[in-house]
Amino acid sequence: NAGVTQTPKFQVLKTGQSMTLQCAQDMNHEYMSWYRQDPGMGLRLIHYSVGAGITDQGEVPNGYNVSRSTTEDFPLRLLSAAPSQTSVYFCASSYLQGWQPQHFGDGTRLSIL
Amino acid sequence: QKEVEQDPGPLSVPEGAIVSLNCTYSNSAFQYFMWYRQYSRKGPELLMYTYSSGNKEDGRFTAQVDKSSKYISLFIRDSQPSDSATYLCAMTLNTGNQFYFGTGTSLTVIP
Repeated sequence: NAGVTQTPKFQVLKTGQSMTLQCAQDMNHEYMSWYRQDPGMGLRLIHYSVGAGITDQGEVPNGYNVSRSTTEDFPLRLLSAAPSQTSVYFCASSYLQGWQPQHFGDGTRLSIL
Repeated sequence: QKEVEQDPGPLSVPEGAIVSLNCTYSNSAFQYFMWYRQYSRKGPELLMYTYSSGNKEDGRFTAQVDKSSKYISLFIRDSQPSDSATYLCAMTLNTGNQFYFGTGTSLTVIP
């Protein structure tokens, strides 16, 4: 049982490049989300999904795109990378029924030059 | 004003000490309160959670929620070097879809 798996673990991009951060979970969780973690800012919600085909914006969605075609996968796309998007990105998932704690992956460390 | 405020520390204590970590919040509608532990270069892992006000104990850890003061605490008894990590508080409304996190408190337990 792998839980939440994020790839890649590290990535360096140049300004203007695009890339996709992958997130997969094997717990059949309906709810999945993406956060970014910056020093002094804590975890901030970027986008979330309550099921396949359903996504919504969080606190800091600009510059990011998501889609949810399957229950298992929730990729995060950076359309045109900017230095301000240098951060550690975490994917999380949980069951949707009632309230459930979120399970996190180990993050993707992204540097944009 | 941030939804959740947490003192970032860093906090450094000797092994065996009692540690107190705290968060305050502004939204009185929050119902679920969580503490996550995050080791360096790892994702947050759930340590404890409570619903509404009251205390919850799990081994050396005790979580307290005071909704009248909008204040939550995590106590660690007999602290160990393995407790050295960043501790994040988090909370959510009754629907539970969006979580609000504190910035985290960095704790070091010195052997």
